[in-house]
Amino acid sequence: QVQLQQSGPGLVKPSQTLSLTCAISGDSVSTKSASWNWIRQSPSRGLEWLGRTYFRSKWDNDYAESVKGRITVKPDTSKNQFSLQLNSVTPEDTAVYYCARQLLTACFDRWGQGTLVTVSS
Amino acid sequence: QFVLTQPPSVSGAPGQRVTISCTGSSSNLGAGHDVHWYQQLPGTAPKLIIYTNTNRPSGVPDRFSGSKSGTSASLAITGLQPEDETDYYCQSYDDRLSGSYVFGTGTKVTVL
Repeated sequence: QVQLQQSGPGLVKPSQTLSLTCAISGDSVSTKSASWNWIRQSPSRGLEWLGRTYFRSKWDNDYAESVKGRITVKPDTSKNQFSLQLNSVTPEDTAVYYCARQLLTACFDRWGQGTLVTVSS
Repeated sequence: QFVLTQPPSVSGAPGQRVTISCTGSSSNLGAGHDVHWYQQLPGTAPKLIIYTNTNRPSGVPDRFSGSKSGTSASLAITGLQPEDETDYYCQSYDDRLSGSYVFGTGTKVTVL
């Protein structure tokens, strides 16, 4: 049974970096059959896909235009997990952040438990 | 900002059939990209209930069904149950925005 377990702080100051980690059990971050994603949800923006990392013949990333330039999604093969870093946060980045596995069919079939991240001084 | 539009709410009596529409455009559903549906209970992560337009993951009741045609898709719930009262979202891929995975605006189902 694939499970995703998120960790990271729930409060970040404006202009600082939001960092979250998603630990994978029951699958491998290096699998060629899935990608590993971050998605956030807020009342104003709804569900918003942020970015992903995946391995095919090499590691690659895709990022949403809305956060490109501020976001990094990285795998950690030694710990079988992946991470999110979002730089220069503002109060508009306040949201519940989810990690999720995406199958080759492009659906998100497994989700982490969610982390409410508040950007406030 | 939102490229997939859903009705804010739908309602029905127990046992009835309700449908939720998901309206897109030529850059997502109309471009042939598949639609997937999620159920989200309060305070929890979304749960996949329909993938690739019409398919149900193992364990999802067969009262949930999906369809897609042109720039629109639908989720139907037949034999509505009290536990179906929650939020539902469609999801697809959009060729604009440099390629991005997009979600619908969400629909709250109320069981009367």
